This record gives sequence, C-alpha cells and structure tokens, in this order.
Amino acid sequence: EAQVTQNPRYLITVTGKKLTVTCSQNMNHEYMSWYRQDPGLGLRQIYYSMNVEVTDKGDVPEGYKVSRKEKRNFPLILESPSPNQTSLYFCASGRLDTQYFGPGTRLTVL
Amino acid sequence: RKEVEQDPGPFNVPEGATVAFNCTYSNSASQSFFWYRQDCRKEPKLLMSVYSSGNEDGRFTAQLNRASQYISLLIRDSKLSDSATYLCVVNGGGGSYIPTFGRGTSLIVHP
Repeated sequence: EAQVTQNPRYLITVTGKKLTVTCSQNMNHEYMSWYRQDPGLGLRQIYYSMNVEVTDKGDVPEGYKVSRKEKRNFPLILESPSPNQTSLYFCASGRLDTQYFGPGTRLTVL
Repeated sequence: RKEVEQDPGPFNVPEGATVAFNCTYSNSASQSFFWYRQDCRKEPKLLMSVYSSGNEDGRFTAQLNRASQYISLLIRDSKLSDSATYLCVVNGGGGSYIPTFGRGTSLIVHP
C-alpha cells in the first residue's frame, strides 16, 4: 500500500529536550516536505527536499533541522524544542500533481 | 512566495444545497492548481486537480480563471459527509515546484 508514515503520532516533551520525528514514504518520490499546522494559520512549510542530499528552507524553518540521506526518509529534528513549537506536524511526499500526507504528529512542548 | 487566499468560512449549509468556494492566487505564472480536503485533525487528501478546461468529478466541479487569478470549487447536493475544510493549493511559477497552500475554507453541512 502506498503511504507516508510518521512516528511518533503523539509526543509530549519538555523544553530543550532534543527530539526527532521520522517520516518515511514507499512511493519512490523525490520531493518530500514538512509542514506545521496551527489554528488560524493553516499549513506552513518548514523544510522541503527535492531529492537525496538536497534540502531547503520553507516559510518557517527556525528551530528545525532536516536531513535527506536516503530517498524514502526525511526526518524532522528539533534540537531544542520550545513551547511555540507545539503544533500538528505533517510530512508529505509527492509528484508534480499530487502530494501524499502522513497521518500527522501532534507535538506538545511544555 | 506566491500568496493563496481563501475565505475561512465557515460555510454552514443544509443537506442538498449547492455551495461554492473561491480561492485567489497572486502569482500569474502559477502552473498547476488543486483542491484538497482535510477532515478534523486528519491529514489533507487530494480532492481534485483544476484544469483550464474545468474538471468535474461527480458532485464536485473545479474551475480555473487565469485572467482573474482564481480557482473555484462547486459542490452540488451537499452531503453531511462533505463537512470538512477545503484547501486550495497552487504550484509552480518561475520554475518553482513548491506548492503553496491556502488556509482553507470550512464547510459544515447540517441536516
């Protein structure tokens, strides 16, 4: 089954404790992306990757890192999470005509 | 980055009604257009693409007006299950593939 998986789905953590949200896709897509979604602000792009070892900043990259060492995986790293990073995070992969989203990760930073 | 704007709603309509949403975009060089549907707390999913010639899928019709830089989504005979947020997405322009999402329009269909 074609899909994008994210882990964990829910995470509660404390300020400053490094965390990684994993994202994996099995559709051989070159393009992958991370978004955060907050009430009233819609989906905002954090980082995207056009291919292996190629990443670039989206609209709200501050406080986040990503890596793309292999085509299928695109982890999102929060080196020192802060409460303003509490949000719903989506990973996506796609082609020119379609993006497939993971189920989302609800992150709470206390 | 291109800007994509939508009326956030909510649009509150009875079952069986016809409802239409518009989405405007600012970059005239944008190349492809889509509507996504997002249920509460779930991931967005592609509803349909929008072509210059229009696109119809059952009760849903999407249209593109390049001259006025807007796309529309028409839902006929609304069902309770159509209740969701509808996101407008615009790709491309100036060689960029990067999609830009609107903030979404909320639709509530009531009995």
